[in-house]
Amino acid sequence: KAGVTQTPRYLIKTRGQQVTLSCSPISGHRSVSWYQQTPGQGLQFLFEYFSETQRNKGNFPGRFSGRQFSNSRSEMNVSTLELGDSALYLCASSRGTGLNTEAFFGQGTRLTVV
Amino acid sequence: GEDVEQSLFLSVREGDSSVINCTYTDSSSTYLYWYKQEPGAGLQLLTYIFSNMDMKQDQRLTVLLNKKDKHLSLRIADTQTGDSAIYFCAERPLSGGYNKLIFGAGTRLAVHP
Repeated sequence: KAGVTQTPRYLIKTRGQQVTLSCSPISGHRSVSWYQQTPGQGLQFLFEYFSETQRNKGNFPGRFSGRQFSNSRSEMNVSTLELGDSALYLCASSRGTGLNTEAFFGQGTRLTVV
Repeated sequence: GEDVEQSLFLSVREGDSSVINCTYTDSSSTYLYWYKQEPGAGLQLLTYIFSNMDMKQDQRLTVLLNKKDKHLSLRIADTQTGDSAIYFCAERPLSGGYNKLIFGAGTRLAVHP
């Protein structure tokens, strides 16, 4: 069974630009969560989508947004990029229901803002 | 509050056992997880334990949970060089919603001959 696929793997953007990252979850999984990983702050939860609805949100500015499509694929968008947005962005896929929702992560998208 | 703490570094000899420790703060956490991250890669789910269990064994991995002290440990038996990686402990607080995981800073495990 295919794992979680994130595209692209690497991105270089300029300050002020916007970026869109994509995540395709494991087949049958309806929940997609996004995390930001930086050396200084570690792994931080951005938001979670389930059945096309944002179900949970972390403490990030409104420049960070996301959406989920009917096939459960998700995108996250960062507008007006800042240098501090340079990070590894990880997406996690899970069934989304039931008490134990094991989350399986993709390889991540490494975003560098220059 | 939500906080997970781990020691940052552990060095072991190949063939020895490794024990990585973690403390968490949210008593509502129902499941606790261990993830492994190799350089340049995403997170690999290693194992998890339900909060009403004390121990879970999965091949070379043993997870111990002391719910009273909110202490979690991961023991890797017969540690190999391929086990060198960063290990993250994560809790899933009930109050956080379904899939919000709170991660520790990660423990870098170095295995030497």
